[in-house]
Amino acid sequence: GAVVSQHPSWVICKSGTSVKIECRSLDFQATTMFWYRQFPKQSLMLMATSNEGSKATYEQGVEKDKFLINHASLTLSTLTVTSAHPEDSSFYICSAVMREGTTDTQYFGPGTRLTVL
Amino acid sequence: AQSVTQLGSHVSVSEGALVLLRCNYSSSVPPYLFWYVQYPNQGLQLLLKYTSAATLVKGINGFEAEFKKSETSFHLTKPSAHMSDAAEYFCAVSAENTPLVFGKGTRLSVIA
Repeated sequence: GAVVSQHPSWVICKSGTSVKIECRSLDFQATTMFWYRQFPKQSLMLMATSNEGSKATYEQGVEKDKFLINHASLTLSTLTVTSAHPEDSSFYICSAVMREGTTDTQYFGPGTRLTVL
Repeated sequence: AQSVTQLGSHVSVSEGALVLLRCNYSSSVPPYLFWYVQYPNQGLQLLLKYTSAATLVKGINGFEAEFKKSETSFHLTKPSAHMSDAAEYFCAVSAENTPLVFGKGTRLSVIA
């Protein structure tokens, strides 16, 4: 099956610093990747759609200057949490879209646990 | 607009018993339907998907789901629960060129 990796798997940072999270599709190319945020015992909340070679599309209520997304290649998208604050602490999960026949299937990374002190 | 409703935030079954996790969807266009499983502190793993082919879909780990258009349902089943099935299960719906819309999830507990 399709494999998606995320790095780092967990990160602890001080308030005010920036953190970059990488999402890679290891064995397929993905023109579209998604970034989600998940709070404890809750479902996934879509933050933004990352398209290779173009600007990301953010969901309503998600600050684009706070969560910078770059999709520089067909196998890599990065999410940078700028000037992180404790309320940004969360589990961030990415997914990459693989075209299979006539349909698209999202394959998810293992997630990144961000803790902001 | 699309939406998913998962009935029951927590389901508990005995080891060896039938697993039934319920999912109902709403979609104005022909839907694609998915079930994902999430183990603690991990990402989501695709169990199975419906993409307008066979209505009975078989997935990994012995799970299967049946698409019933008349009932707008896509319930997940497994004949015999195993301890390793304990996890959070998410039903999701999408259409062509649209992001996944997830249900709130159902936590499955398996009792020895």
